[in-house]
Formats: sequence, structure tokens, C-alpha cells
Amino acid sequence: SQKIEQNSEALNIQEGKTATLTCNYTNYSPAYLQWYRQDPGRGPVFLLLIRENEKEKRKERLKVTFDTTLKQSLFHITASQPADSATYLCVPFGNEKLTFGTGTRLTIIP
Amino acid sequence: NAGVTQTPKFQVLKTGQSMTLQCAQDMNHEYMSWYRQDPGMGLRLIHYSVGAGITDQGEVPNGYNVSRSTTEDFPLRLLSAAPSQTSVYFCASSYLGGDQETQYFGPGTRLLVL
Repeated sequence: SQKIEQNSEALNIQEGKTATLTCNYTNYSPAYLQWYRQDPGRGPVFLLLIRENEKEKRKERLKVTFDTTLKQSLFHITASQPADSATYLCVPFGNEKLTFGTGTRLTIIP
Repeated sequence: NAGVTQTPKFQVLKTGQSMTLQCAQDMNHEYMSWYRQDPGMGLRLIHYSVGAGITDQGEVPNGYNVSRSTTEDFPLRLLSAAPSQTSVYFCASSYLGGDQETQYFGPGTRLLVL
């Protein structure tokens, strides 16, 4: 069955550093992959989408990579700020459906 | 635009009671869906709809019914609530196809079944 693993449930990063979150998937080949941000008590909010034929995509301080050989996506936040603290969800689309990872809870320490 | 709205925000039910969770969107999205989110698990798809009059089951449909009489509304019905249905429920909507796979989520409904 399709499986998604996001590195560590929680990640603490010093303010100003780059936060890197990892998403690994197995048993399928997603056509694209999305990343969402979720704050406590709120619904997920879309951040970025990267397709299987794209290696990298950027949006302001965010960068996503997609390695279909390694079956992995990396999500980077550069110059991290306390306001970036949230849970980040990796969401591949494959076999006609979205599959949500459990997320990585990122805390940016001032 | 209000986006995706959900009511109520919080609900307590007794086992066996029924209720309807409301979801509405004003973006003219064809696709609407319901998810539940439980601690330690990713969002799981309950039911979805690709347009008015069309619904289908997701990953965890048992105990839930849906209907889609209009493009805007997609209510989720619990026929006989069970403690296992204690969860946070999210409604989402999106366009179909093209580069519009972005899911827009509502604020969620927290449901506690005693």
C-alpha cells in the first residue's frame, strides 16, 4: 500500500537558519506532490506544488525538491522566523488520490 | 470570498445521536471532500464529490453519508454517532484538472462523541 514518511515528528531550528523537512514515499509514483502548512486548530493551507518532471520549485523563502529516483521530496525554509512555526504536511498525488502524511511539527526558536 | 466555511466549530454528541456537519464554498469548485484528522494519523478521506449529484466513498466512509445537491454545499451526516467518530473534520474544495489541484480547507469541526 502507499506509504508516506515525514522525518521526525518534531524539528527545532534556530531563527535565521534553514529548516529542511523530508518526505519519503513508497509503493507508488506520484504525478505531483504538494506541501501544506497547518497551524493548531486550523485547516491546512496550500504552500507549493511540484510535478514529477520538475526538480525544484521556489516561492519566496520556500524551496521544494522532488527526486523521483529516491522517492523523496525535501522542503526548505530559508532565513527561518518564529512565524514559520507550524506543522508541515507532505501530500503526494498518485493512483488518483491525495495521500496526506502525518506532518512534521516545526518550531523556530528565537 | 469567504472560501470554505464549516459549521459548527465544535459539537458534543452522545452515542447513537445523529447530526449533520455543514460545509459550503463560494469559489465555484467542482470537487469537494470530507476528511477526518486523528492524532498520529494523516488526514483520511471520508467521502468526496466531483460535482452536484455525484458522490463517492473515500478511505473511511463507514458511518457517514453525504449528498451534493448544489455546487456550493456538501453536508456530512453521521447517522448514529460512535465514540470512534470523535475527531476533527475538515471539508475541502478544489477545481478539477489542470493546474488547479490546490485544496482549500475549511477551519474544521471538532466532534466529541461520548
